[in-house]
Amino acid sequence: NAGVTQTPKFRVLKTGQSMTLLCAQDMNHEYMYWYRQDPGMGLRLIHYSVGEGTTAKGEVPDGYNVSRLKKQNFLLGLESAAPSQTSVYFCASSSMNFGYTFGSGTRLTVV
Amino acid sequence: KNQVEQSPQSLIILEGKNCTLQCNYTVSPFSNLRWYKQDTGRGPVSLTIMTFSENTKSNGRYTATLDADTKQSSLHITASQLSDSASYICVVTPGDGGYNKLIFGAGTRLAVHP
Repeated sequence: NAGVTQTPKFRVLKTGQSMTLLCAQDMNHEYMYWYRQDPGMGLRLIHYSVGEGTTAKGEVPDGYNVSRLKKQNFLLGLESAAPSQTSVYFCASSSMNFGYTFGSGTRLTVV
Repeated sequence: KNQVEQSPQSLIILEGKNCTLQCNYTVSPFSNLRWYKQDTGRGPVSLTIMTFSENTKSNGRYTATLDADTKQSSLHITASQLSDSASYICVVTPGDGGYNKLIFGAGTRLAVHP
């Protein structure tokens, strides 16, 4: 089915470990985003991309890096995980004339 | 500061009843307002989108209203079903922003009981 696919769905990390979250979309959307969702708060934008090879910082970028080497993929990296990065991470994609499509999320726990 | 406030935080209703969720925003200028439904363990899915010139939009049993003068929106759910149990998120796009400027409310968690 067309849409946004996130891997993995769940992950537990120890403080200081690194990991990469993968987001893939098959709708040929130009724009892709990474959000985090914490209890009692709205989704907050971490980083976004307006096209292949471009990335930009969002509202809460510290501690994260991203890359968009291919139009369909958007990777979110944590170089040295901290407990404050425990959250649910959502990837989304959109085009100028179409609304957002969200992935199913990755639940990350940092212990 | 641009903010989106939703009320109530949580709500329990019986199957078949109607309910209304509220969204107040301080975003200015304003481009559009969206309502999303988020099932547990899933990503948000769009229900409606309204520009500042629209005051109502329906999607099946879901009807969203918008009063741009008072900066308020509501989502009315008619004849609720068990499958309506989810979080409902109000999202506002500032008029001076774009695709990367969405402002999300914290959501209202709705539980529909049989």
